[in-house]
Amino acid sequence: AQTVTQSQPEMSVQEAETVTLSCTYDTSENNYYLFWYKQPPSRQMILVIRQEAYKQQNATENRFSVNFQKAAKSFSLKISDSQLGDTAMYFCAFRSAGAGSYQLTFGKGTKLSVIP
Amino acid sequence: NAGVMQNPRHLVRRRGQEARLRCSPMKGHSHVYWYRQLPEEGLKFMVYLQKENIIDESGMPKERFSAEFPKEGPSILRIQQVVRGDSAAYFCASSLGTSGYEQYFGPGTRLTVT
Repeated sequence: AQTVTQSQPEMSVQEAETVTLSCTYDTSENNYYLFWYKQPPSRQMILVIRQEAYKQQNATENRFSVNFQKAAKSFSLKISDSQLGDTAMYFCAFRSAGAGSYQLTFGKGTKLSVIP
Repeated sequence: NAGVMQNPRHLVRRRGQEARLRCSPMKGHSHVYWYRQLPEEGLKFMVYLQKENIIDESGMPKERFSAEFPKEGPSILRIQQVVRGDSAAYFCASSLGTSGYEQYFGPGTRLTVT
């Protein structure tokens, strides 16, 4: 079974600064997907960024980028130029890429506060 | 294109009552997933359904919980004889297919058992 670990329960960052959220995972599979979801106070789950394990290039979405280290099973999220609207819970998630795979496995989350 | 819709957004039930949570997937999506988020936890998979079929209910408690996705209408997650430990946020997601396809989440239903 896969596990996802987020070792930082809470973090804070000054507005306009950069912050990195950590995530490690455990799997015996070679091909899979990794995700970062944002959950603001509204509780809506919003997909921030997605990485396919077979791609060596790190995914980037505007101010959000990842550092994917497959051998280390590490998948950190970097938020640049932090904005007040980035305040939220952030969840790292894993999904196998095998045929018919669907189940997402989530970490416990990191609560990020952006300070004005 | 409307997103995944869930209702109600908030539901309060007394111990022993039944809770019914509804999920309407995105248009064209026939794959529905239910996840539960306990306080201070990440989401945990409960059940995966396609139209009229339960494909995988391995994450769902064996007692009191059931799910359906009828040919017409929304998917329903039903919890009978609720207990305090059922208090959680319940999220529904839908997708066009499985591997390789994105799951889009609804806003969740927050169940409080008093």
